Amino acid sequence: NAGVMQNPRHLVRRRGQEARLRCSPVKGHSHVYWYRQLPEEGLKFMVYLQKENIIDESGMPKERFSAEFPKEGPSILRIQQVVRGDSAAYFCASSRSGQGDTEAFFGQGTRLTVV
Amino acid sequence: GDSVTQMEGPVTLSEEAFLTINCTYTATGYPSLFWYVQYPGEGLQLLLKATKADDKGSNKGFEATYRKETTSFHLEKGSVQVSDSAVYFCALAGGFKTIFGAGTRLFVKA
Repeated sequence: NAGVMQNPRHLVRRRGQEARLRCSPVKGHSHVYWYRQLPEEGLKFMVYLQKENIIDESGMPKERFSAEFPKEGPSILRIQQVVRGDSAAYFCASSRSGQGDTEAFFGQGTRLTVV
Repeated sequence: GDSVTQMEGPVTLSEEAFLTINCTYTATGYPSLFWYVQYPGEGLQLLLKATKADDKGSNKGFEATYRKETTSFHLEKGSVQVSDSAVYFCALAGGFKTIFGAGTRLFVKA
């Protein structure tokens, strides 16, 4: 049973470049969540997606950040023109339903370093 | 809005000591409550959960009781091991969104 797969595990980008983070949910899960974890801090909700739809992006910065979850393929979190403050661990989670009491399964995260 | 407050860490204990990590929450309605654990370099894993008042979640010797009257969900373990060293996150699920506390880092010394 494959869990949530995120890649790459580590990503280094220079300021101004683009970062693409991929997340393949657990097989059969159609709900995907992205969280950001800054060093020594907790997880902050960014965006919630179902297949082909963004349901809630209230935690995502209005500029430079975008997310998608196409009908086929993984969910992508895209950060354009990265800045040093974007350095963080980005975690993806998936669940079978969007109900709040459903367990979310987390990937191992992508650690983005902007130099 | 909904929020979760955890005791600040790090918490340092000797092996076999008793552990309590406090967690209180603010929410409208009746959310489900969770504890997740994050080992170094890993993602989060669900440790236990409770879905209604007075429910007790338990797993691997850890337990927590959903206390509606005090809006709390404190994590306890009677005898910690070195392998329990990790960061512990309290969380609530309101609607479709899971809200996390800031996390409490636990160090257990042999």
